Amino acid sequence: SQKIEQNSEALNIQEGKTATLTCNYTNYSPAYLQWYRQDPGRGPVFLLLIRENEKEKRKERLKVTFDTTLKQSLFHITASQPADSATYLCALARRGFGNEKLTFGTGTRLTIIP
Amino acid sequence: DTAVSQTPKYLVTQMGNDKSIKCEQNLGHDTMYWYKQDSKKFLKIMFSYNNKELIINETVPNRFSPKSPDKAHLNLHINSLELGDSAVYFCASSSRTDTQYFGPGTRLTVL
Repeated sequence: SQKIEQNSEALNIQEGKTATLTCNYTNYSPAYLQWYRQDPGRGPVFLLLIRENEKEKRKERLKVTFDTTLKQSLFHITASQPADSATYLCALARRGFGNEKLTFGTGTRLTIIP
Repeated sequence: DTAVSQTPKYLVTQMGNDKSIKCEQNLGHDTMYWYKQDSKKFLKIMFSYNNKELIINETVPNRFSPKSPDKAHLNLHINSLELGDSAVYFCASSSRTDTQYFGPGTRLTVL
């Protein structure tokens, strides 16, 4: 069966360090993968998209890697700040479906400790 | 300006009742979605509409009926509410190969 797993339900990181979140998938052929941020009581907010033929994407302090051989994406926040504390969701769009069927992972709740 | 809006934000109701949640987007997107997020925060797609036509129905009970009067609106009507329907429901919109923009969510509590 198809599965998307995010490495840990919760992750605590010291302020200033790099936070690394993992998204693993099985039995998928993703066209692309997205990362979203969700704050309590709010809807998810898009952060980054990486396509199957891309290895790495960056945006300010954020970096995403995508390894289709390992079936894994890593999401990095460098120089982490308490304001980065939130739940982070990865989501896969399957090839041929475009954005009509985005499947989300279970999320990792990240806490940056001052 | 709010890109994707939902009403109401909170909905508390008795088992067996019928209720509706409304969603509107002002982004000009062709595709709209309904998601359910359960108590474990797992976000699962329920329906997807493109240009007012249903394109995905993810084995949702037929007590849930989406209605899209136009491209900017996708409403969700739920009949005969059950305890297990308690969750946060999110509306979202996107263009076909773009990111999804989510509404603020509607927290439904069935007593």
